[in-house]
Amino acid sequence: DTEVTQTPKHLVMGMTNKKSLKCEQHMGHRAMYWYKQKAKKPPELMFVYSYEKLSINESVPSRFSPECPNSSLLNLHLHALQPEDSALYLCASSPQGQGAEFGREQYFGPGTRLTVT
Amino acid sequence: QKEVEQDPGPLSVPEGAIVSLNCTYSNSAFQYFMWYRQYSRKGPELLMYTYSSGNKEDGRFTAQVDKSSKYISLFIRDSQPSDSATYLCAMRRKTSYDKVIFGPGTSLSVIP
Repeated sequence: DTEVTQTPKHLVMGMTNKKSLKCEQHMGHRAMYWYKQKAKKPPELMFVYSYEKLSINESVPSRFSPECPNSSLLNLHLHALQPEDSALYLCASSPQGQGAEFGREQYFGPGTRLTVT
Repeated sequence: QKEVEQDPGPLSVPEGAIVSLNCTYSNSAFQYFMWYRQYSRKGPELLMYTYSSGNKEDGRFTAQVDKSSKYISLFIRDSQPSDSATYLCAMRRKTSYDKVIFGPGTSLSVIP
């Protein structure tokens, strides 16, 4: 099983709503990632978890709050978002949790398309 | 100068053609090089990864790295309409907890 799953596929939320994005992998990977991708742009890294601990935060606004409850699950909690936060949110995982080969192979989920109204 | 540059295209080729996709980079510390394929409204799919200079072949795909020129390529032989997608190069240094840097992507259309 080389699949990363993400729910929901689509999400529309108002600027005062609180919602969560979910990501799951059962490949035994020890690193998990959140990326944001705008149309016709490459993915932008937001957060990295290594062995369930936050190891990289790319200066993401606090209205995005990640959580890694266990080695298979990754959540992104959303609160008070802005219309410019509308994008495709991608989760990825990779086998190497640390060391020089960390992040070398990243397997992406299909993404959650978020629209903030 | 951006760390990773890639011609955005769009690149349009006839079915069966050999496609060459290229990226240049500025950071000589990059050691791992990856190619991803992304279909419209889907997540990127890892196609190939290579370490340092050299060639790597997988079916119709060949990845080539020339570190002296800071230039990487992906060749697609016998291109198919199903190869129509955006191709992203990506790379990282060989250090712990280092993030992957993506190129902007090249949009490819293979015309039947």
